[in-house]
Amino acid sequence: DAGVTQSPTHLIKTRGQQVTLRCSPKSGHDTVSWYQQALGQGPQFIFQYYEEEERQRGNFPDRFSGHQFPNYSSELNVNALLLGDSALYLCASSLAQGSSTEQFFGPGTRLTVL
Amino acid sequence: LAKTTQPISMDSYEGQEVNITCSHNNIATNDYITWYQQFPSQGPRFIIQGYKTKVTNEVASLFIPADRKSSTLSLPRVSLSDTAVYYCLVGDDGTASKLTFGTGTRLQVTL
Repeated sequence: DAGVTQSPTHLIKTRGQQVTLRCSPKSGHDTVSWYQQALGQGPQFIFQYYEEEERQRGNFPDRFSGHQFPNYSSELNVNALLLGDSALYLCASSLAQGSSTEQFFGPGTRLTVL
Repeated sequence: LAKTTQPISMDSYEGQEVNITCSHNNIATNDYITWYQQFPSQGPRFIIQGYKTKVTNEVASLFIPADRKSSTLSLPRVSLSDTAVYYCLVGDDGTASKLTFGTGTRLQVTL
């Protein structure tokens, strides 16, 4: 049973560029959440997708956008990259309904903006 | 969302029991208390969740007093591999909605 997978593992971009990060949820899960984790800080919620729609959003600018596909996989897009966007980006999957509300996290994508 | 306060760091020797306390004075009636563990360069991993009294699983125990204004994560006989950051989260977990992490407690286990 594959867990949550993310790609790429690492990424280096320059200011102003755009980036797309990808996530495949744990088998059977239908909800995907994205988090940003700066060095030394706890993860911060960006947004959550369910049934291909954004269901909740954290305090992040519109430069951060996402998408969920029919197979439940998801993408996180960040436009006009800033130095402050350098962080570990985590994807978590869960079931919208069920006995367990546990979120399963992937290993993350380390984004460095130069 | 209820704010949580936990120690920034803790040290322990291998084989000891470690107790990490989290304060959440303004916890709401429908809030659950959840703990996650995170190793360097990995995503957080669910440890345990509770609402009141005591919860125990194969990894840890969670003690919650009657007023629910604090909780204690207990790790029995820690090993070097338990060195990680531990996060206490409080929120309505009924819908697997967004998780609000604080800065966590960095536990260092040594020989």
